Amino acid sequence: NAGVTQTPKFQVLKTGQSMTLQCAQDMNHEYMSWYRQDPGMGLRLIHYSVGAGITDQGEVPNGYNVSRSTTEDFPLRLLSAAPSQTSVYFCASTDRDSYEQYFGPGTRLTVT
Amino acid sequence: AQSVTQLDSQVPVFEEAPVELRCNYSSSVSVYLFWYVQYPNQGLQLLLKYLSGSTLVKGINGFEAEFNKSQTSFHLRKPSVHISDTAEYFCAVSDPGGYNKLIFGAGTRLAVHP
Repeated sequence: NAGVTQTPKFQVLKTGQSMTLQCAQDMNHEYMSWYRQDPGMGLRLIHYSVGAGITDQGEVPNGYNVSRSTTEDFPLRLLSAAPSQTSVYFCASTDRDSYEQYFGPGTRLTVT
Repeated sequence: AQSVTQLDSQVPVFEEAPVELRCNYSSSVSVYLFWYVQYPNQGLQLLLKYLSGSTLVKGINGFEAEFNKSQTSFHLRKPSVHISDTAEYFCAVSDPGGYNKLIFGAGTRLAVHP
């Protein structure tokens, strides 16, 4: 049982490049979320999903897209990277019985 | 809109001393409250949660927190800390229908010194 996995661990992009951050969970959770963590700001919700085919925007969605074609996978796409997107990105899945969110190890993204 | 304020950005403490990490929230509706811990270069892990019922909640690693509705607070306490408790601690809130959409505080860095 791997829990929540994220790839890559580290990434450096140039301004304007695009990329996809991968997230997968093997706990059969319907709910999944993406957060970004910036110093002094805690974690902020980017997008979330309540099941395959259903996604919605969180607090800071601009510049990011998501899709949810399967229960297991919830990729986050950066369409045209900007230096303001330099951050650590966490994916999480939520157990609907315990209300606990399980977090992945994070992806550290630097945009130059 | 909901918000969370963690009143201390850093808390230094000596090993075996007690500690309290303070959290206040604002919300016009019922809330669920959580404390998560983040060890260096890792993801977040749930320490404890308040959903309803008893206002004193016990979590893992000897931590506990008390929900105070009148003061809109959810402070985290431990009677005797260890070096291994050095980490960043996040308070978070959600409404009961949106527990997958957490609003986090800015975090409190707990530094335990020998």
